[in-house]
Amino acid sequence: AQKITQTQPGMFVQEKEAVTLDCTYDTSDPSYGLFWYKQPSSGEMIFLIYQGSYDQQNATEGRYSLNFQKARKSANLVISASQLGDSAMYFCAMRVGGSSNTGKLIFGQGTTLQVKP
Amino acid sequence: ETGVTQSPTHLIKTRGQQVTLRCSSQSGHNTVSWYQQALGQGPQFIFQYYREEENGRGNFPPRFSGLQFPNYSSELNVNALELDDSALYLCASSLVGGAVTGELFFGEGSRLTVL
Repeated sequence: AQKITQTQPGMFVQEKEAVTLDCTYDTSDPSYGLFWYKQPSSGEMIFLIYQGSYDQQNATEGRYSLNFQKARKSANLVISASQLGDSAMYFCAMRVGGSSNTGKLIFGQGTTLQVKP
Repeated sequence: ETGVTQSPTHLIKTRGQQVTLRCSSQSGHNTVSWYQQALGQGPQFIFQYYREEENGRGNFPPRFSGLQFPNYSSELNVNALELDDSALYLCASSLVGGAVTGELFFGEGSRLTVL
């Protein structure tokens, strides 16, 4: 079965500190992509970072990096130098298969991150 | 801002009624997908439209249906509303054959309450 698991319902981090949000995935398809999205209270899902299953290096986008451990089937998001505006819900998601599945993502339950001043 | 717009932003319906939600996709995107997000949960894939045809569906009953128009805008229709249909409905656009990441661009959603 294809599944995304986020085991941290809520996390707290001090402003300017780094935080890691956990994500594990399950799929038997060798071709997949992993995404992280941020959802503020407004509801819009904001794309943060992408990791392809064949990518050799961990993805980075500014303060976001993805710690991809293929053998463990984990794709943890690391946010460095947390800011108050980072307070939001964070979702890990997976796309399986080819380009025809471009619109279909499997999401985890999410982690609520609160940044303390 | 992604350029994906949804309407209405909020609406209230009663059980048994029908609802239509609308989405304008990001310019140049040819694929629209719809998600249902219950309170405190992750989004669940409803279906995807590409070139005006449904080409992927999640575990949702036939009373959930959709359309995609030649300009790539889309509608989600839900018939015979049930209380459990209360949720945030998200529309996302993407481009088949586009960038390798193929990330989805989401709108802010339509929040449906069924009484």
